[in-house]
Amino acid sequence: GAGVSQTPSNKVTEKGKYVELRCDPISGHTALYWYRQSLGQGPEFLIYFQGTGAADDSGLPNDRFFAVRPEGSVSTLKIQRTERGDSAVYLCASSLRKGVVTDTQYFGPGTRLTVL
Amino acid sequence: AQKITQTQPGMFVQEKEAVTLDCTYDTSDQSYGLFWYKQPSSGEMIFLIYQGSYDEQNATEGRYSLNFQKARKSANLVISASQLGDSAMYFCAVYSSASKIIFGSGTRLSIRP
Repeated sequence: GAGVSQTPSNKVTEKGKYVELRCDPISGHTALYWYRQSLGQGPEFLIYFQGTGAADDSGLPNDRFFAVRPEGSVSTLKIQRTERGDSAVYLCASSLRKGVVTDTQYFGPGTRLTVL
Repeated sequence: AQKITQTQPGMFVQEKEAVTLDCTYDTSDQSYGLFWYKQPSSGEMIFLIYQGSYDEQNATEGRYSLNFQKARKSANLVISASQLGDSAMYFCAVYSSASKIIFGSGTRLSIRP
């Protein structure tokens, strides 16, 4: 079946602009996660959705970052007033959430964001 | 707080040899999961193998096995008979009920022909 998809694959924007990154999870997966990966580092947790609600948004770096998942499927990560430090690969993952510690996450290909 | 340590930033291995990628973790939770992911140059994170903290046997998935030593808080990944396609970044991660998943900094594995 289809895996996690993310669009766009690449996004170049100017400092101060607003961007939206989209994630389409695996069908039937109730949990959705956003991560940010800087060059040479492991993914860093941003936010986790269970259904439509954000169950844990403790990883969002500041109030310029916001994410929604209005119908419990597709999610959009929104970044306002982008800064050069926001440049990174943004990864989305989804899981069945059948159990807590056995919850295997499946990742999308990521969106590479470059803020000039 | 959870923490994952991968002490090998890079490794070179001859094709067909076995390789062990080190991972130690720090968690105060009794119940947790350990994961290994592969990230090729294309960027996608590929799930390789999972080990639960209460699993008594080491997990295996094809050429991948996890050498789980709970007392030492160690979860090393062993790749048998390495192939050129195994060249990639490898990330160890821990997931517990009290925390989101935490990734290590990764090990870059390069397979020599």
